[in-house]
Amino acid sequence: DVKVTQSSRYLVKRTGEKVFLECVQDMDHENMFWYRQDPGLGLRLIYFSYDVKMKEKGDIPEGYSVSREKKERFSLILESASTNQTSMYLCASSFQGAPGNTIYFGEGSWLTVV
Amino acid sequence: AQRVTQPEKLLSVFKGAPVELKCNYSYSGSPELFWYVQYSRQRLQLLLRHISRESIKGFTADLNKGETSFHLKKPFAQEEDSAMYYCALRPLGAGANNLFFGTGTRLTVIP
Repeated sequence: DVKVTQSSRYLVKRTGEKVFLECVQDMDHENMFWYRQDPGLGLRLIYFSYDVKMKEKGDIPEGYSVSREKKERFSLILESASTNQTSMYLCASSFQGAPGNTIYFGEGSWLTVV
Repeated sequence: AQRVTQPEKLLSVFKGAPVELKCNYSYSGSPELFWYVQYSRQRLQLLLRHISRESIKGFTADLNKGETSFHLKKPFAQEEDSAMYYCALRPLGAGANNLFFGTGTRLTVIP
């Protein structure tokens, strides 16, 4: 069974703090993704990575950065958290290539910035 | 550019009634279409994809290229179908890995 694990389920941070959200997958997937989920806006892609040390900007990368030093781990970094980054963050992973590849999601990390 | 539209944010039906969750897309090429579901307190998970032509939990969805739609249907709704449903599109082609999501429809099945 594919497992995508987000280590922090609930976080409360202060404005201006640096925030790290960690994600680990155990299926040797090449692709990893960070989405944010907001009511009425659906899921929006922040960044994705198709290989170690490779990253691509998604639709809303501003205010975020990512790190992928190992294949199984993909970190989302908020350099200076702001209240408009209060949201649910979803990590996901998948194999590359063939049509029909399933993208598997983690349980999500609720971040509140006060 | 690709876009996925789910016109209904909320949908309520009675148990046993038919249900249809609408999804329209715009994309110049050939897309893959998916439906994802998120039950209360659970992770987002794949429900079905058009390429498999499958029925999952009684749900089906047909890709209509002429109308650029991928509506999700079930003839008899059950209480356990209450959840958030997202339609998603993935462009087909080299390097195309990302999913583009609609804004979601929250389905409530009334007992």
